[in-house]
Amino acid sequence: SQQGEEDPQALSIQEGENATMNCSYKTSINNLQWYRQNSGRGLVHLILIRSNEREKHSGRLRVTLDTSKKSSSLLITASRAADTASYFCATVAMRGGADGLTFGKGTHLIIQP
Amino acid sequence: DAGVIQSPRHEVTEMGQEVTLRCKPISGHDYLFWYRQTMMRGLELLIYFNNNVPIDDSGMPEDRFSAKMPNASFSTLKIQPSEPRDSAVYFCASRYRDRGTGELFFGEGSRLTVL
Repeated sequence: SQQGEEDPQALSIQEGENATMNCSYKTSINNLQWYRQNSGRGLVHLILIRSNEREKHSGRLRVTLDTSKKSSSLLITASRAADTASYFCATVAMRGGADGLTFGKGTHLIIQP
Repeated sequence: DAGVIQSPRHEVTEMGQEVTLRCKPISGHDYLFWYRQTMMRGLELLIYFNNNVPIDDSGMPEDRFSAKMPNASFSTLKIQPSEPRDSAVYFCASRYRDRGTGELFFGEGSRLTVL
């Protein structure tokens, strides 16, 4: 079963607006990551937030993590048409070892020019 | 630096045929992962290797699927015999362990269509 579940499944906004995507997960995690996937391409890492962090910024990206609610959000500010893509959250389990990332099904973001 | 390289990018085959997907991880990465992506099931982890040794293959759907990593720079995922329900995009990804970030580097994927 999927560890992370993104919400909404699809989001369409106007260029320049902010886009917010949410992710919920089920078990204790070591860290949570967000990835982007353009149509027909591989996934690209955007940002990682560790379980002891609450907020992280990278350029126009802002990620929050609430471990008590087992949820995270990704905010893209001042969206651009080029931000159109699918966005996935992925978690690394708390238990030791180098487990593979478990991905949600993604949020498909469309930025209307 | 070259990224993760997968081949073929597209493969169309008929049911019952053998399919071999190939992956070259980023040089120096000691973990390699195979994922499958479908609309219905999203991204599923099939198997992963550490230093060429398979660590967890619990995601491999059936005995028809097998994966090998004969050396640090090459891995294959084989499906024999293939079935229409195997149609999906198969991704290979690699990473360093000791960086502590857990960030995965993905290839562009191999889109498989089984008729």
